[in-house]
Formats: sequence, structure tokens, C-alpha cells
Amino acid sequence: GENVEQHPSTLSVQEGDSAVIKCTYSDSASNYFPWYKQELGKGPQLIIDIRSNVGEKKDQRIAVTLNKTAKHFSLHITETQPEDSAVYFCAASVIGGGSQGNLIFGKGTKLSVKP
Amino acid sequence: NAGVMQNPRHLVRRRGQEARLRCSPMKGHSHVYWYRQLPEEGLKFMVYLQKENIIDESGMPKERFSAEFPKEGPSILRIQQVVRGDSAAYFCASSPSAGTDTQYFGPGTRLTVL
Repeated sequence: GENVEQHPSTLSVQEGDSAVIKCTYSDSASNYFPWYKQELGKGPQLIIDIRSNVGEKKDQRIAVTLNKTAKHFSLHITETQPEDSAVYFCAASVIGGGSQGNLIFGKGTKLSVKP
Repeated sequence: NAGVMQNPRHLVRRRGQEARLRCSPMKGHSHVYWYRQLPEEGLKFMVYLQKENIIDESGMPKERFSAEFPKEGPSILRIQQVVRGDSAAYFCASSPSAGTDTQYFGPGTRLTVL
């Protein structure tokens, strides 16, 4: 089955710097890669996702890149702000073709942005 | 449009008791997924349901755990004879269709077993 590895487990940056979180996956059939932000005591909130037919997607300060050959994808946050502090999870799944879309999650990265 | 709702938000049970966790999907969503999150861990898939059907329960323990999604009302995850190892946060997510759309998560139920 699919296995998703996420690094680093913790990341501390100064406000205004960039943060990069990396994930690798094992199942070449995976074609959908969402990123979730989880604040303390809350449920995961989707922040950006990418499908395997594109290599990069950007939404304001957040971008995701995907390398299908190497089976890894990354989250990039630019101009970090203290409110970006949270735990970030990557996930992988297979969508379409009658699949069920179960998400396989990485173990998370705790991002701290210091003012 | 209300998001995914879960209740209770916090649940305390003693060993051997039953826990019932409820999930109301977003309006228009007929697909529900349950995930469990242990402390300092990622979320792990438990079960996927459509209205009145369990489609995939491969991530759910064979004993003591069951799930349903009736024609009317919320989806329910039921844990019988709880043990301390069941202490975790349980999240449900809903989607308008299977395997084609984003899953939106609820706020979770934090179960503590004493």
C-alpha cells in the first residue's frame, strides 16, 4: 500500500523567511496530493492541493511542486507570518477511475514562525 | 453553507464503556470518511461510507469498532468496550463524490479513556 514520508518533523523560521516542507510517496498510482494545516484543537484545513497532471501550483504565499518521477512533492510558504504557525500534513491518494480516494497522510511538520 | 459537524467535541469514557461519535457531512455530500489521529501522529484512514453502505472498512479494527451512515441522520462511529489505547482524536471528512473531490474535515472528537 501507499506510504507517505514527511520531513522535517519540526521547522522554526523567522517571520518573513520562507518555509519548505517535503514529502515522498511510494505508490506510483497516487495522483492527488493535498496539503492540510491543523491548528491546535482543530480539524485539518485544506490549504492547497495538486493533481499529477501539473508540476506546480501557487496560491498567494503558498505553492506546491510535484516531481512524479522522483515521487516527491513539496510545500513552499513565502513571507511567513506568525499565524502560519501550525502543524502541516501532506497526503496522497488515488482519485478517479472508480477509486475511493482514501487519504494517506504523512506524520506532520510543526512549523513555528518567530516574530 | 455549514461545514462538517462532529459531536461531541470531547468525550470521556471509562474502560469497558461504549463511545458513540457523530458526524454530519456538509450539505450535498453523501460520502463520509473516518480517520483516527494518535498524539503526535498523522491521521490514519479507518472507514469510508456512503449513505446506507460501508464501502471500505479496511483501516478499522475488526473487533469493537463499527460504523454506519443511515439514510437519515449523521454517520456514527461506535467503539464498544473502550480501552486506553482508543484514546485519540477522531475526525470525519466528507466529499460530494468518491475519489474525485476534496475531502473537508470536521473539528474532530477527542476521546479520552480513563
